[in-house]
Amino acid sequence: QKEVEQDPGPLSVPEGAIVSLNCTYSNSAFQYFMWYRQYSRKGPELLMYTYSSGNKEDGRFTAQVDKSSKYISLFIRDSQPSDSATYLCAMSAGTALIFGKGTTLSVSS
Amino acid sequence: DTAVSQTPKYLVTQMGNDKSIKCEQNLGHDTMYWYKQDSKKFLKIMFSYNNKELIINETVPNRFSPKSPDKAHLNLHINSLELGDSAVYFCASSPKPLRAGAYGYTFGSGTRLTVV
Repeated sequence: QKEVEQDPGPLSVPEGAIVSLNCTYSNSAFQYFMWYRQYSRKGPELLMYTYSSGNKEDGRFTAQVDKSSKYISLFIRDSQPSDSATYLCAMSAGTALIFGKGTTLSVSS
Repeated sequence: DTAVSQTPKYLVTQMGNDKSIKCEQNLGHDTMYWYKQDSKKFLKIMFSYNNKELIINETVPNRFSPKSPDKAHLNLHINSLELGDSAVYFCASSPKPLRAGAYGYTFGSGTRLTVV
């Protein structure tokens, strides 16, 4: 079993939809959880960061961590065509970040 | 001013050649990383340096050799290139190594290596 599992998609939604992206993990030592967004032919950029369990909201984005279920989510409200990208979850127990495989999202106008 | 810059952006080379990729960060971070992203977009850690000292060395063929002349630079030299080395190589940096996952990383825009 890989340390971090993420459905690669692709996921296609119409503009304005609510998008839910998820990752599961196996290492209970993970305590730092992040979401990165990667546009085509660009480097990943940090979108959201959460420490331990709980929710964090930033504009249209909400990150949730459930450590008891080893499950993290990213919700995007009122999705826009500019949200079309690959979303990578990443997590760490204190050293290097371990990434999921990324979910490719396409938002059509 | 680019925070983490890599050169070259594209590299096409023949099997068996030796090549280098350079990375520089102007963020004042202590820690730098090399990640490899395969054709399926999977990002995997290769190496990490903290203030010129190697702190992470994942299971990578010894044809890959990182070098950090100072904490702002981390280069990657690859000997005897193979077809399977074709990938995008990303350099990243973070403020500190300990609890590095707490700070997030700043990535460069990648070097697309194609071995023919």
